[in-house]
Amino acid sequence: QKEVEQDPGPLSVPEGAIVSLNCTYSNSAFQYFMWYRQYSRKGPELLMYTYSSGNKEDGRFTAQVDKSSKYISLFIRDSQPSDSATYLCAMTTTGNTPLVFGKGTRLSVIA
Amino acid sequence: GAVVSQHPSWVICKSGTSVKIECRSLDFQATTMFWYRQFPKQSLMLMATSNEGSKATYEQGVEKDKFLINHASLTLSTLTVTSAHPEDSSFYICSARDPNRGPSEQYFGPGTRLTVT
Repeated sequence: QKEVEQDPGPLSVPEGAIVSLNCTYSNSAFQYFMWYRQYSRKGPELLMYTYSSGNKEDGRFTAQVDKSSKYISLFIRDSQPSDSATYLCAMTTTGNTPLVFGKGTRLSVIA
Repeated sequence: GAVVSQHPSWVICKSGTSVKIECRSLDFQATTMFWYRQFPKQSLMLMATSNEGSKATYEQGVEKDKFLINHASLTLSTLTVTSAHPEDSSFYICSARDPNRGPSEQYFGPGTRLTVT
């Protein structure tokens, strides 16, 4: 079993839809959880950062962490064509250890 | 967010030559930088962790004599691909950790596309 599992998609939704992206993980020691957005041929951009369990909201984006289920989610409300990208979840145990990435989910928002 | 730059953004080189890629943190000092490699439609693969003033820590399977990493200052890390071969063609991305932000927040550069002919 891989440490972090993420459905690679592709996921295609109409403009305005609510998008749900998810990752599961096996290492219960993970404490820091991140979501990155990567456009084609660009470096990943940090979208959301969460420590431990709970929800965090930033504009149209909401990140949720459920440590009891080892499950994290990213919700995108009112999705736009500009949201079309690959979304990568990442997590780590402490501040000094490298991130462990999911494979990324390719999202297309159709106008 | 914090800004990380990479140079060059794209490079083509001949087989057997060496290529140097620079990674700079522009508005913060990064004691730790990371180098990743990414193949098309795949996730990032960590190659090495670079700490300022000390030797880099390489991931299993990454040849340290082929991928030379130097973190000479708090704002600059370099990756040199020595004696490059076509199979080294890939997208190389660096990231840096800003110690003034969240303990695990990493900021990525825009990437360098290397093509070896």
